[in-house]
Amino acid sequence: NAGVTQTPKFQVLKTGQSMTLQCAQDMNHNSMYWYRQDPGMGLRLIYYSASEGTTDKGEVPNGYNVSRLNKREFSLRLESAAPSQTSVYFCASRRASGSGETQYFGPGTRLLVL
Amino acid sequence: GQQLNQSPQSMFIQEGEDVSMNCTSSSIFNTWLWYKQDPGEGPVLLIALYKAGELTSNGRLTAQFGITRKDSFLNISASIPSDVGIYFCAGNTDSNYQLIWGAGTKLIIKP
Repeated sequence: NAGVTQTPKFQVLKTGQSMTLQCAQDMNHNSMYWYRQDPGMGLRLIYYSASEGTTDKGEVPNGYNVSRLNKREFSLRLESAAPSQTSVYFCASRRASGSGETQYFGPGTRLLVL
Repeated sequence: GQQLNQSPQSMFIQEGEDVSMNCTSSSIFNTWLWYKQDPGEGPVLLIALYKAGELTSNGRLTAQFGITRKDSFLNISASIPSDVGIYFCAGNTDSNYQLIWGAGTKLIIKP
């Protein structure tokens, strides 16, 4: 049981290049999330997927697209990277039960856009 | 919109001291979560709170869900070097799938 996994761990892009960040969870959770974290700041939600087949914008969606490929996988795509997208990106999945909800996080992808 | 204030922003403490941090919201929450993030890692859940007044411990950590449902605190007793990191609170209402996050409390232990 690996929990939430993310690839790659590190990436350097030039302005205008595109890339896809991959995320997978093996906990059979319905909801998945993409956050970005900038130095000295908390987490900001980019997009989320409440269930397979649905996606919704979060607080900072501009410049990103997402795909909920299946229940396990939720990818984040940067079509034309900009220096402002230099950040650490975290994927999370949500467990919701009668007692309440919890989100579990992956180890992060560190992205540098030059 | 909903806001969540976490304080203090940072703490410098001596090893062995007790630590206290808190979060307050402008809205009523149904869930309060406390996470710790080590450098280069993702946040890891420490304690989850789901009922007003609930007091929950996890080893040397204790957290409470405020009676008003608009606040929560986290206490760490007898701090040790591995407690260093950034602590985040997060909460939500029933209305959506999104968590509201605090900006974090950075804990630093003085040598």
